[in-house]
Amino acid sequence: GAGVSQSPSNKVTEKGKDVELRCDPISGHTALYWYRQSLGQGLEFLIYFQGNSAPDKSGLPSDRFSAERTGGSVSTLTIQRTQQEDSAVYLCASSISQGNEQFFGPGTRLTVL
Amino acid sequence: AQSVTQLGSHVSVSEGALVLLRCNYSSSVPPYLFWYVQYPNQGLQLLLKYTTGATLVKGINGFEAEFKKSETSFHLTKPSAHMSDAAEYFCAVSEFSSASKIIFGSGTRLSIRP
Repeated sequence: GAGVSQSPSNKVTEKGKDVELRCDPISGHTALYWYRQSLGQGLEFLIYFQGNSAPDKSGLPSDRFSAERTGGSVSTLTIQRTQQEDSAVYLCASSISQGNEQFFGPGTRLTVL
Repeated sequence: AQSVTQLGSHVSVSEGALVLLRCNYSSSVPPYLFWYVQYPNQGLQLLLKYTTGATLVKGINGFEAEFKKSETSFHLTKPSAHMSDAAEYFCAVSEFSSASKIIFGSGTRLSIRP
């Protein structure tokens, strides 16, 4: 595909469960970003990858949140022991390199019951 | 630290009327500025961006924005609104020196009245 893809598109989970959200960036894009969009908080930066390393994790809200990227491609955002306040749309973006236009995926809507 | 303020969480205009969405930013370094649009149930799409050079930037769908350093503003305009312009618009800023992240404003929902 030509664009950024994310899976699942929707995820409903129970409080306390762990979830994994996946992002497939545009082929050849070295930079990958995770954002969260929630009511009342707008769009928040979570973490940024350049290749497989994460130089900026400043937006991760707590130690329950982690992310990894392997092979300079796919990234997984993991939320452990989910809480209701984690309910949001999680957006992934990629760019050909740091500082260039970011292309956004459709997002994963996470609902924690 | 960088920040973005969008004035008005909801703007409503008549079809054919001028669209003006306001954005002010704060940045300690020369900023890169962006406007993104999010149509219902769709992802974010870049409308336009300012990096360096000409301060009046033209984007897609007839939108344009002007970077005014003295006013720390980057307002988005369109001369004549169309029904298809109804969406959420986000102003954003990044530091090219790091460019590790984009800081978004809280968004403005644009509604178009027939």
